[in-house]
Amino acid sequence: AQTVTQSQPEMSVQEAETVTLSCTYDTSESDYYLFWYKQPPSRQMILVIRQEAYKQQNATENRFSVNFQKAAKSFSLKISDSQLGDAAMYFCAYREYGGATNKLIFGTGTLLAVQP
Amino acid sequence: KAGVTQTPRYLIKTRGQQVTLSCSPISGHRSVSWYQQTPGQGLQFLFEYFSETQRNKGNFPGRFSGRQFSNSRSEMNVSTLELGDSALYLCASSFSGDTYEQYFGPGTRLTVT
Repeated sequence: AQTVTQSQPEMSVQEAETVTLSCTYDTSESDYYLFWYKQPPSRQMILVIRQEAYKQQNATENRFSVNFQKAAKSFSLKISDSQLGDAAMYFCAYREYGGATNKLIFGTGTLLAVQP
Repeated sequence: KAGVTQTPRYLIKTRGQQVTLSCSPISGHRSVSWYQQTPGQGLQFLFEYFSETQRNKGNFPGRFSGRQFSNSRSEMNVSTLELGDSALYLCASSFSGDTYEQYFGPGTRLTVT
């Protein structure tokens, strides 16, 4: 069975600085999707960034980028120029490749605090 | 475009009772998934419905059930509530089974006393 591990329960970053959140996963599949979701306090979960395992290029969305190391089964999220609005719980998630299911397997989350 | 809506937002029930939660997906979305979020167990997949058929189910007891209607709205039901069922229940919708972007609702906070 696939598993997702986030080893940092909490992280803190100064406003305008850069922070990296770690995620490792385990799967025997060669194709799959990886995601980072953000859940602000008392607000809806939103997708931050996604990565298809068959793509070697790391995904980037504005200030958010990933470091995808397929062989090491590592998928870290880098947030550049951190803003107060980035404070949230961040979840790493795995999904099987293909259209048979939308089931997401989540890590335990990393609570990110942004200090002004 | 309206987002995913869930009703009710908050609910307090007593042990032994049953509860029904509702999820209205984004218009045109046919897939609805349900997740349970607790501090101890994190986010766990309950089940997924696509075109009124359950096509995936998580590792939850039979007290947890769901269904999807022809308009893609989905309900989940928990019977014989236990204290451990207290959680935030999230639903997520997507356009079809082939897309990988899911949109989450705000959740229903269920408290069992």
